Amino acid sequence: QKEVEQNSGPLSVPEGAIASLNCTYSDRGSQSFFWYRQYSGKSPELIMSIYSNGDKEDGRFTAQLNKASQYVSLLIRDSQPSDSATYLCAVNRGSGGSQGNLIFGKGTKLSVKP
Amino acid sequence: GAVVSQHPSRVICKSGTSVKIECRSLDFQATTMFWYRQFPKQSLMLMATSNEGSKATYEQGVEKDKFLINHASLTLSTLTVTSAHPEDSSFYICSARTGLEGYTFGSGTRLTVV
Repeated sequence: QKEVEQNSGPLSVPEGAIASLNCTYSDRGSQSFFWYRQYSGKSPELIMSIYSNGDKEDGRFTAQLNKASQYVSLLIRDSQPSDSATYLCAVNRGSGGSQGNLIFGKGTKLSVKP
Repeated sequence: GAVVSQHPSRVICKSGTSVKIECRSLDFQATTMFWYRQFPKQSLMLMATSNEGSKATYEQGVEKDKFLINHASLTLSTLTVTSAHPEDSSFYICSARTGLEGYTFGSGTRLTVV
């Protein structure tokens, strides 16, 4: 089982709609969860971090975490064409190996159509 | 905010030669640096974790004699790809911990081996 799984997409939504991105993880010891946005050929940039069960809102972005289900999601409201990118879910490695490093999913490619 | 400067951004080298990639923390001390590799349409894969003043910890399957990591100071970590081959062509990204749960990424290095 892969450590962090995401639907690779592409996910296509019209401008102004809500984009919903999902991620599941396998390490129950993980405590920190991150969503990064990556444009083609560029380094990832942090969108949201979440550590507790429930919702966390920041502007048009809402992260949701359910540790019991090992599930984390990102909602983007009022999607804009500039949101078109690949969204990477990252989870810290809770135990074993190199603790503290991030394990990334393959990413979901989002396309927002004008 | 914390900034990691990564150089070069792009490099083309001949097969069999070595390439050094540098990551510098500009306004903080990076005691831990993570090195990732990303192939086209794939996610970031952790290669190794380096701590200042000690040997790097490599992930399973990563050849430590081929990918030399030096973290001799709190502001500089380097990755040297030795005897590079076309299959080493990839996007290499460094990431530093900036706090208990904070991570900041370099801008990445696109390596092409011809």
